[in-house]
Amino acid sequence: DTGVSQDPRHKITKRGQNVTFRCDPISEHNRLYWYRQTLGQGPEFLTYFQNEAQLEKSRLLSDRFSAERPKGSFSTLEIQRTEQGDSAMYLCASSARTQRGTEAFFGQGTRLTVV
Amino acid sequence: AQSVTQLDSHVSVSEGTPVLLRCNYSSSYSPSLFWYVQHPNKGLQLLLKYTSAATLVKGINGFEAEFKKSETSFHLTKPSAHMSDAAEYFCVVSDQARAAGNKLTFGGGTRVLVKP
Repeated sequence: DTGVSQDPRHKITKRGQNVTFRCDPISEHNRLYWYRQTLGQGPEFLTYFQNEAQLEKSRLLSDRFSAERPKGSFSTLEIQRTEQGDSAMYLCASSARTQRGTEAFFGQGTRLTVV
Repeated sequence: AQSVTQLDSHVSVSEGTPVLLRCNYSSSYSPSLFWYVQHPNKGLQLLLKYTSAATLVKGINGFEAEFKKSETSFHLTKPSAHMSDAAEYFCVVSDQARAAGNKLTFGGGTRVLVKP
């Protein structure tokens, strides 16, 4: 499978626990994005990387959230001291500029439930 | 700043009849525009994209969309709905300005129901 993969697909955690999600982008893609989608809403941008550099973070990304892409390949998103409001689908996407423009490819997401 | 408004949160059509999903956008720069589809328990799939070439864009599964700059619209259509078209559809805008990083801004989504 050469698409974007995310792990785990589902995570149930107790309030106050830390969780970490992983995203493996398409191998030749230098840009990687994290989005959050709550029920009945469109995905909202959280942050993006170009190679290993984190170039932008949304105001949605509180100080409990941290993302890394240490070698410019896979990325992790950690949420500390989870709250019920963090329950959502966390989507990862990757892209690269080509002659046909830029297209983002999405993973299937990690669904987080905080109980 | 960029934003997207999908004018209908739900659309219900009969199988074999046309589908119209409406989208208006706002962008400070020359935008790229996309439509994505999301089936239950599946990832987002790109239907089509506009990137300043032809204003009428054809996508997969018989969908097409027309970019109208004067109306800041990018409505999605399909002449004949199929049961498999039942899904959530997202209109998406991306600034082509380099500093924007091709960040995508999604509309709120339109859920399509197809009746037999």
